[in-house]
Amino acid sequence: GDSVTQMEGPVTLSEEAFLTINCTYTATGYPSLFWYVQYPGEGLQLLLKATKADDKGSNKGFEATYRKETTSFHLEKGSVQVSDSAVYFCALSGGYGGSQGNLIFGKGTKLSVKP
Amino acid sequence: DAGVTQSPTHLIKTRGQQVTLRCSPKSGHDTVSWYQQALGQGPQFIFQYYEEEERQRGNFPDRFSGHQFPNYSSELNVNALLLGDSALYLCASSFGQTGRRETQYFGPGTRLLVL
Repeated sequence: GDSVTQMEGPVTLSEEAFLTINCTYTATGYPSLFWYVQYPGEGLQLLLKATKADDKGSNKGFEATYRKETTSFHLEKGSVQVSDSAVYFCALSGGYGGSQGNLIFGKGTKLSVKP
Repeated sequence: DAGVTQSPTHLIKTRGQQVTLRCSPKSGHDTVSWYQQALGQGPQFIFQYYEEEERQRGNFPDRFSGHQFPNYSSELNVNALLLGDSALYLCASSFGQTGRRETQYFGPGTRLLVL
């Protein structure tokens, strides 16, 4: 079935450091890919998405490119801030292996940014 | 524009009891999905409602049931609660029977503790 694997956390960075959170997926068909963010005590917020190969999603300085050849959707930000501290989830939807209309999530990566 | 709302925010129950959680979708949305997020894990898909019918279901037992009302709001019912049902329950809404391109918007969640 469809699945998402993302790098284990926690990740601790200093303010203004470069961020990469790796995400790879397994899916049949042509899934859409998403990054969601969850701040402490809150629900999930959509950060960015890409719906086809080579699309780049971007929002609030975060970027991720849908790479079909490497089945990856890595999240990057050039300069993180303390306010970016949160848990980040990679997800897919629309594959033929059980995610046709629902989201399948990775386990999440906790990011802590120190001043 | 009201986002997805859920009630209650927190709930404490004992084993064997039954619980009902409620969700109102984002304005203009007609599809509601429910997810269970155990502590430290990614959300797991429970089921999806569209046009007042359950359209998709994840790998959850029949103790988990739901309903969608004509105004698109939804309820999640869990019978015979187990300790393992303790989790954050997230509701997500979208427009149209969700295909791969539709973004799901999440509510803040209901945190259920089973003692």
